[in-house]
Amino acid sequence: DSGVTQTPKHLITATGQRVTLRCSPRSGDLSVYWYQQSLDQGLQFLIQYYNGEERAKGNILERFSAQQFPDLHSELNLSSLELGDSALYFCASSVERWAYNEQFFGPGTRLTVL
Amino acid sequence: GQQVMQIPQYQHVQEGEDFTTYCNSSTTLSNIQWYKQRPGGHPVFLIQLVKSGEVKKQKRLTFQFGEAKKNSSLHITATQTTDVGTYFCAGGSARQLTFGSGTQLTVLP
Repeated sequence: DSGVTQTPKHLITATGQRVTLRCSPRSGDLSVYWYQQSLDQGLQFLIQYYNGEERAKGNILERFSAQQFPDLHSELNLSSLELGDSALYFCASSVERWAYNEQFFGPGTRLTVL
Repeated sequence: GQQVMQIPQYQHVQEGEDFTTYCNSSTTLSNIQWYKQRPGGHPVFLIQLVKSGEVKKQKRLTFQFGEAKKNSSLHITATQTTDVGTYFCAGGSARQLTFGSGTQLTVLP
């Protein structure tokens, strides 16, 4: 158990819908990272928040957005969902702001878009 | 942007055989990290290499970071069934970890 929690574990929805994925980092960690893992794309970095502020952006679509709240939990919002958005979404956390620190991954949310 | 290539994509070995996965970056890295993801699980941090030419060992696992800090390798000696999973390298910069595509290791008993 990494100490990072993610809810829900599974999510099934339809194209065009909007969903919210939630992540609680390890106690004391200020950075939260979101990754998308699909079969043909591997682990793709989406976005990082550090202590409530956006710090780095990766290959995140405009239909996706995220935020980190004062209690440091984070939410990833996916809208106008397409079939290709079906994937595993991982949240990771680390103590410091630098991405090259060890990251602790949550169990992931499996999103299926029908 | 930064790209990290990893080979092979798949590797099947008999239990007791050795295994190596290789990682190459298009740019010089601040560090390289290795993660293991068991089937159905999430990536778990194994190790971080920072210095040029660095070699680190964890029991049967040996990790190397190239002199130019653009390539790395993970070698497992005498594989066991518990080694099954996908091994990812991840190239570190201050703002982003770029993951390789992973090597999926199958160990046949």
